[in-house]
Amino acid sequence: GAGVSQSPSNKVTEKGKDVELRCDPISGHTALYWYRQSLGQGLEFLIYFQGNSAPDKSGLPSDRFSAERTGGSVSTLTIQRTQQEDSAVYLCASSPPRLAGFNEQYFGPGTRLTVT
Amino acid sequence: AQKVTQAQTEISVVEKEDVTLDCVYETRDTTYYLFWYKQPPSGELVFLIRRNSFDEQNEISGRYSWNFQKSTSSFNFTITASQVVDSAVYFCALISNSGYALNFGKGTSLLVTP
Repeated sequence: GAGVSQSPSNKVTEKGKDVELRCDPISGHTALYWYRQSLGQGLEFLIYFQGNSAPDKSGLPSDRFSAERTGGSVSTLTIQRTQQEDSAVYLCASSPPRLAGFNEQYFGPGTRLTVT
Repeated sequence: AQKVTQAQTEISVVEKEDVTLDCVYETRDTTYYLFWYKQPPSGELVFLIRRNSFDEQNEISGRYSWNFQKSTSSFNFTITASQVVDSAVYFCALISNSGYALNFGKGTSLLVTP
């Protein structure tokens, strides 16, 4: 079946502009995660959605970052007033309903964000 | 606090050599899960294996094998008879019952040359 999809694949934006990144998880997966991958910081967790529960936003680096998940499926990560340090690859992952322990997460191809 | 350490930043081997990628983890939780992911040059993270803290049996999948030792908090990954297609960055990661997110190591970049 189809994997996790993300759009756009690449985004170049000017400092100070807002950007929206989209993630379409695998059908039937209830958990959705956003991570960020940058050279200096490696892979960092940003936010986690599980079904209709309140999201875990503990990884968001500042209040310029927000995310929502509509209808328990598609998710949008929004970065307001982008800064150069926001340049990174933003990865989305999803995992199936949790039956026993933590399931593996399946990752999308990522969105490469460049802030000029 | 949780931490995953992959001390090897880069490894270069010649095709057909065996190679072991090290992973050492720290957690105070007694229930946790360990993972390995592969990130080829295309960039997409590919799931390789999941192991829970109560199962210390080693696992073999084709040319890949994993050695989990709780006594040394290690979860090492061995590729036997490496191939050029194994060239990638490999990440070890941990989740415990105190969180939901994968805690990744910094990754080991493996280069296999013909």
